[in-house]
Amino acid sequence: AQTVTQSQPEMSVQEAETVTLSCTYDTSESNYYLFWYKQPPSRQMILVIRQEAYKQQNATENRFSVNFQKAAKSFSLKISDSQLGDTAMYFCAFMGLRGAQKLVFGQGTRLTINP
Amino acid sequence: NAGVTQTPKFRVLKTGQSMTLLCAQDMNHEYMYWYRQDPGMGLRLIHYSVGEGTTAKGEVPDGYNVSRLKKQNFLLGLESAAPSQTSVYFCASSPQIGQGYPEAFFGQGTRLTVV
Repeated sequence: AQTVTQSQPEMSVQEAETVTLSCTYDTSESNYYLFWYKQPPSRQMILVIRQEAYKQQNATENRFSVNFQKAAKSFSLKISDSQLGDTAMYFCAFMGLRGAQKLVFGQGTRLTINP
Repeated sequence: NAGVTQTPKFRVLKTGQSMTLLCAQDMNHEYMYWYRQDPGMGLRLIHYSVGEGTTAKGEVPDGYNVSRLKKQNFLLGLESAAPSQTSVYFCASSPQIGQGYPEAFFGQGTRLTVV
């Protein structure tokens, strides 16, 4: 079974700084998707960024980018020029494509952006 | 543009009571999921469905039942609630690969307290 590990339960940075959230996963599949979801205090799950495993180029969405290292099974999220609105729980998630499409989540990282 | 809608948003149950959570999606997605979110454990998959009339067990299915009689609806039932089922419950849906990116869209969550 696939597992996803986020080793940083909490992180805190100053506004405008850059922060990197770590995620590692374990799978025997060669093709899959990886995601970062944001959960602000409103509780809504919001997709931040998505990476397809067969694409070597790292995904980027405005201030959010990933460092995808397939051989190392690592998928970190970098937030540049952090803003107060980035304060949230961040979840890394894996979706395998062999069999049913099940989304497996990490434990989450609580990120606080300080003014 | 409703997306995924869960009802109710909050509920308090007494131990031994039963209830049903309703999830509805209007995106014609094949996949639907029920997750529970507990502090420090991320989101864990309870049950999922790969299409109308189908259901399958996830990581933590004990104490829950599901049904998907219509493609747009996925019901989660608790037959005899226990305090260990106090949690936040999320429903999600996803298109099947080939019909769009296999990205999960989430409902607003249901906070359930069992006393």
